[in-house]
Amino acid sequence: QSALTQPASVSGFPGQSITISCTGTSTDVGSYDLVSWYQQHPDKAPKLIIYEVTKRPSAISNRFSGSKSGNTASLTISGLQAEDEGDYFCCSYAANSNWVFGGGTKLTVL
Amino acid sequence: QVQLQQSGPGLVKPSQTLSLTCAISGDSVSSNSAAWHWIRQSPSRGLEWLGRTYFRPKRFNDYASSVKSRITIEPDTSKNQFSLQLNSVTPEDTAVYYCARGPWIQLDFDYWGQGILVTVSS
Repeated sequence: QSALTQPASVSGFPGQSITISCTGTSTDVGSYDLVSWYQQHPDKAPKLIIYEVTKRPSAISNRFSGSKSGNTASLTISGLQAEDEGDYFCCSYAANSNWVFGGGTKLTVL
Repeated sequence: QVQLQQSGPGLVKPSQTLSLTCAISGDSVSSNSAAWHWIRQSPSRGLEWLGRTYFRPKRFNDYASSVKSRITIEPDTSKNQFSLQLNSVTPEDTAVYYCARGPWIQLDFDYWGQGILVTVSS
């Protein structure tokens, strides 16, 4: 059982927006603005798409955005494209030099 | 451009030691602005952080409590790489193992190795 809770799956049509939630506790998501999100395609390593809750690495499209409220972080993907299909994982720094991950959300572009 | 290249056996017998290496290019294992992590992924446990090594300037390690009694992560500055050793493995340790770089301030994982599937089986 993963430490952070994500929906198992989400879907949307091309051009639509979707949001994936990531719920933790007051000892991880709620305590630190150190939530990151990763995209993973089949048989590939995870790829960083959001860090420090809202920031994007330079090569990542501005269609990806992050936010946080209390113990829940969210990833929004706008203008869905076929290549966005894959698995998405959240991660939070937690106390005592520890990191916790979500169980992952499978995004299907219909 | 940072690249991480992993190597090591894909099959380990129960009770033996799992050993993997991650070779770094484009950065230094002794960098004072990064840490070097091992993370694994399995269908039953999902993504699981295992531990890290870093220099500030002396060497430090942090390990996940779930594997703390069995894990060692060591840097090799002469070869610019770091290694993972996990002792007394069981089938529960079967997973894809990744190495990753963690920028010190951001505390995320910005570069990942290609991953190695390690199966624990006799």
